[in-house]
Amino acid sequence: QKEVEQNSGPLSVPEGAIASLNCTYSDRGSQSFFWYRQYSGKSPELIMFIYSNGDKEDGRFTAQLNKASQYVSLLIRDSQPSDSATYLCAGYNNNDMRFGAGTRLTVKP
Amino acid sequence: SQTIHQWPATLVQPVGSPLSLECTVEGTSNPNLYWYRQAAGRGLQLLFYSVGIGQISSEVPQNLSASRPQDRQFILSSKKLLLSDSGFYLCARASGNTIYFGEGSWLTVV
Repeated sequence: QKEVEQNSGPLSVPEGAIASLNCTYSDRGSQSFFWYRQYSGKSPELIMFIYSNGDKEDGRFTAQLNKASQYVSLLIRDSQPSDSATYLCAGYNNNDMRFGAGTRLTVKP
Repeated sequence: SQTIHQWPATLVQPVGSPLSLECTVEGTSNPNLYWYRQAAGRGLQLLFYSVGIGQISSEVPQNLSASRPQDRQFILSSKKLLLSDSGFYLCARASGNTIYFGEGSWLTVV
């Protein structure tokens, strides 16, 4: 079974703080990993992807991948109320994209 | 353009009725296409994916089926809907190793 696990939350952080979202995966064949943001009632939108061990930064977002530990994370710096959403982690292997159940993030003003 | 069109956007169907959700995509030819379902408060469940015309891989045995009659068209169907089929249905396409989603179709089975 190819599983992607996330803490469902909810995760609540104050505005301006760092939000840390975590994800583990079971399929060692997964080649790349993705973070999507989903607002209530809307379809997921891609935030960023990572396929190499280490960190990848894009603006306020940093994705971290540790293939040995099968662990992916997303850090959101200077969190804003507009970041409040559900964040989906996904792993991709040979045409197959598997999603976690998502972590609900609330950023309080 | 990598636009993904889905319709209808919302529908309410009685139990036992048929279903047809349509997805068409623009952009590069022979895209990998996907159908996902998201039940209320749940994660995304992969239902079907297709790597080409007439090629369908099913992930979950159930009363749903998929077809790909044309390169950029992907259809999700059911002959008889169940209450448990209610949810948010998302068509997606792969671009490189990334997946992009359409706007989704909300299905309520009553």
